[in-house]
Amino acid sequence: GESVGLHLPTLSVQEGDNSIINCAYSNSASDYFIWYKQESGKGPQFIIDIRSNMDKRQGQRVTVLLNKTVKHLSLQIAATQPGDSAVYFCAENGSSNTGKLIFGQGTTLQVKP
Amino acid sequence: DTAVSQTPKYLVTQMGNDKSIKCEQNLGHDTMYWYKQDSKKFLKIMFSYNNKELIINETVPNRFSPKSPDKAHLNLHINSLELGDSAVYFCASTVSTGVYEKLFFGSGTQLSVL
Repeated sequence: GESVGLHLPTLSVQEGDNSIINCAYSNSASDYFIWYKQESGKGPQFIIDIRSNMDKRQGQRVTVLLNKTVKHLSLQIAATQPGDSAVYFCAENGSSNTGKLIFGQGTTLQVKP
Repeated sequence: DTAVSQTPKYLVTQMGNDKSIKCEQNLGHDTMYWYKQDSKKFLKIMFSYNNKELIINETVPNRFSPKSPDKAHLNLHINSLELGDSAVYFCASTVSTGVYEKLFFGSGTQLSVL
């Protein structure tokens, strides 16, 4: 079946350091990927996305890298801040036109002051 | 002025009861979803409606019945609640099917079945 997974359930970083959250996906037909951030007690919030015709996309303090050869996605957060503490999910669109977004299991990012 | 709002925020109930969760979006979106998040934070789609029509039913027990009276509302009714239904349920909406850049989630309904 389709699955999107993350390599580490919890990542702990020092404030100011860079964070890297990884994700492995299994559906080679996926052509669109998203990272979401979920803070405690809230719903997931869109951070950044990338299409399969790109291998890197940058936002404000965040960068998403896509390696289609090994079906790997990563989210890099520069100068991590306490407000970045949350659960991060990668998601893929799976086979085209299904209308479904498939989420990975989430990585909890803890930022130590 | 909340974009996607769901009620109630918390729902505690006994096994066997019937309960409903309501969702409303004021974004003018055509497509709405229900997702279930388990205790391990895994998010799984349950249903999707596009302009009041059911387009995704992801092998959910028929005790769960979504209803969309208009495209701004998508409610979830659950009959004969079971312990395994305990989870956080999220409503979400997007401009149209497949447009995930603008997928907005509500803040969730934490359902506890005792």
